[in-house]
Amino acid sequence: EAGVAQSPRYKIIEKRQSVAFWCNPISGHATLYWYQQILGQGPKLLIQFQNNGVVDDSQLPKDRFSAERLKGVDSTLKIQPAKLEDSAVYLCASSLAGGDTEAFFGQGTRLTVV
Amino acid sequence: EDQVTQSPEALRLQEGESSSLNCSYTVSGLRGLFWYRQDPGKGPEFLFTLYSAGEEKEKERLKATLTKKESFLHITAPKPEDSATYLCAVRTGGSYIPTFGRGTSLIVHP
Repeated sequence: EAGVAQSPRYKIIEKRQSVAFWCNPISGHATLYWYQQILGQGPKLLIQFQNNGVVDDSQLPKDRFSAERLKGVDSTLKIQPAKLEDSAVYLCASSLAGGDTEAFFGQGTRLTVV
Repeated sequence: EDQVTQSPEALRLQEGESSSLNCSYTVSGLRGLFWYRQDPGKGPEFLFTLYSAGEEKEKERLKATLTKKESFLHITAPKPEDSATYLCAVRTGGSYIPTFGRGTSLIVHP
């Protein structure tokens, strides 16, 4: 079974630039998550989708971050404009359903803002 | 505010030296406590979900237990390939947001 795919693996941008990350979840998984993991910390949930609807985005900095899930499958996370403190690994995860079900994570995109 | 604290931050063991990692939490209405393993440069890998005090789950050399205030991840006779960061997360009733701890970095020396 193919896992969660993310691209790119690494990205270096200057502050105030824009960046986008892409995620393809496991086939058939209705729930998709985007997490931010700063070095030395646990992952922090940014947004959760159920199919193509947003379940929770209360921790998403909406002045600069946006996310969409096209047709309930792939998803993109965008940062515009980026700040130095956005340097982190952005992880995408998916699960069959939300709630307490097991989530499978992708390898993440490591973003460095200089 | 929900809090999840993991200890120790880092742990070095000799191969075969059993030990335990701790995850303490102060949340209301626990709906699930999750353990993940994370290798460098990779996303977390799911290990266990525990739902109620007294529950235990095992997988190979790992055993997770849960009380009303904390969870332990016991590692029996660890091997170097068990070296990783172990993360715990909790989910509470009424919230879809899982709260992760900072993790315990485990190194097992041969």
